[in-house]
Amino acid sequence: DARVTQTPRDKVTEMGQEVTMRCQPILGHNTVFWYRQTMKQGLELLAYFRNRAPLDDSGMPKDRFSAEMPDATLATLKIQPSEPRDSAVYFCASGTGDLLNTGELFFGEGSRLTVL
Amino acid sequence: AQSVTQPDIHITVSEGASLELRCNYSYGATPYLFWYVQSPGQGLQLLLKYFSGDTLVQGIKGFEAEFKRSQSSFNLRKPSVHWSDAAEYFCAVLGGYQKVTFGTGTKLQVIP
Repeated sequence: DARVTQTPRDKVTEMGQEVTMRCQPILGHNTVFWYRQTMKQGLELLAYFRNRAPLDDSGMPKDRFSAEMPDATLATLKIQPSEPRDSAVYFCASGTGDLLNTGELFFGEGSRLTVL
Repeated sequence: AQSVTQPDIHITVSEGASLELRCNYSYGATPYLFWYVQSPGQGLQLLLKYFSGDTLVQGIKGFEAEFKRSQSSFNLRKPSVHWSDAAEYFCAVLGGYQKVTFGTGTKLQVIP
């Protein structure tokens, strides 16, 4: 059963701590998106990758957020230092290389982050 | 820049009633449009998509959506809502560099 796997599912941390969220895309998918969901802003695109190369990370606060794909099976989103306003659910989604043909993104179940 | 607007944050309908969720998009070229559904505590699941051709597209769970270029709209409809349809619904547009942008979502409540 192919699915996107995100860890951790839940994370509670204190302000100033480093947080790393991980995503394992579906095998064979080479497009990976990171979204942040809050009640106020809805689903915000933070960054996305194709073939491990970042295509757009303009949605990320650059001073504290970073996103990487160390290899094709792992995407990471790091926050350092974390702040209470970073509290949200972070979703990873993956798709095949040509979204113009398939159009479908497959979402993980999300990582719920609470920064105290 | 591409964007999606879902003007209704929250909608309540009675079970068995019809449903229409509104979506307006902004994109300079031919849009590729989607509707996703999110159940509580879950990720998003694709309901349907429009790429080209027939402007009325059918999706899973009895949903359909109609693309209207003149109105820049892609509204989601269902003739008869079931209690299990209670969820949050997101409209999205695929634009330049294969960037997928979502609207802020519409939360659907179904009452008996």
